[in-house]
Amino acid sequence: GENVEQHPSTLSVQEGDSAVIKCTYSDSASNYFPWYKQELGKRPQLIIDIRSNVGEKKDQRIAVTLNKTAKHFSLHITETQPEDSAVYFCAASMRGNKLVFGAGTILRVKS
Amino acid sequence: DGGITQSPKYLFRKEGQNVTLSCEQNLNHDAMYWYRQDPGQGLRLIYYSQIVNDFQKGDIAEGYSVSREKKESFPLTVTSAQKNPTAFYLCASSPRQGFSYEQYFGPGTRLTVT
Repeated sequence: GENVEQHPSTLSVQEGDSAVIKCTYSDSASNYFPWYKQELGKRPQLIIDIRSNVGEKKDQRIAVTLNKTAKHFSLHITETQPEDSAVYFCAASMRGNKLVFGAGTILRVKS
Repeated sequence: DGGITQSPKYLFRKEGQNVTLSCEQNLNHDAMYWYRQDPGQGLRLIYYSQIVNDFQKGDIAEGYSVSREKKESFPLTVTSAQKNPTAFYLCASSPRQGFSYEQYFGPGTRLTVT
């Protein structure tokens, strides 16, 4: 079926360390992969996205990598800060006109 | 995201009542979407509309209805047929049709049905 698996479900890191969240998707036709950050009680905010014709994209401390052959993509956050603490969701576009979201990763950055 | 508004922020209803959640955007976006978020789960698509006067069912449309009479508005009605309506409801819009483009979310409405 159409699904996106996201791991880990929770992640604790020390301030300054890196954090990596991984997602796998099922539809080989998926071509758009956004990542959202959601703080408690607030709306999801798009933080970075990548399309299938690109293998990696960076924006300051955030990067996303895509492996189309293996059908997985990852979010990398370097030099983590307490304000990075939030729930992060990956998503993948699916044929049939939908964006399917992973279940989310709770990131805690300890200072 | 600042151009998408949802009201109210919190909504309380008794079981058996229909309730309508508002979503308005002033971004001139073609496409609009409704998602439901439950604790510990990702977002699940309820309905979407890619053009005025047209909308499509998402994965969990049962017990919900929508309309898209104006480009800027996409209200969601939670009917009494929805078995577990208590959830956080998020509206989103996208500048282009299709699901391969960025979606921007409203602040959400937390619905509690007792």
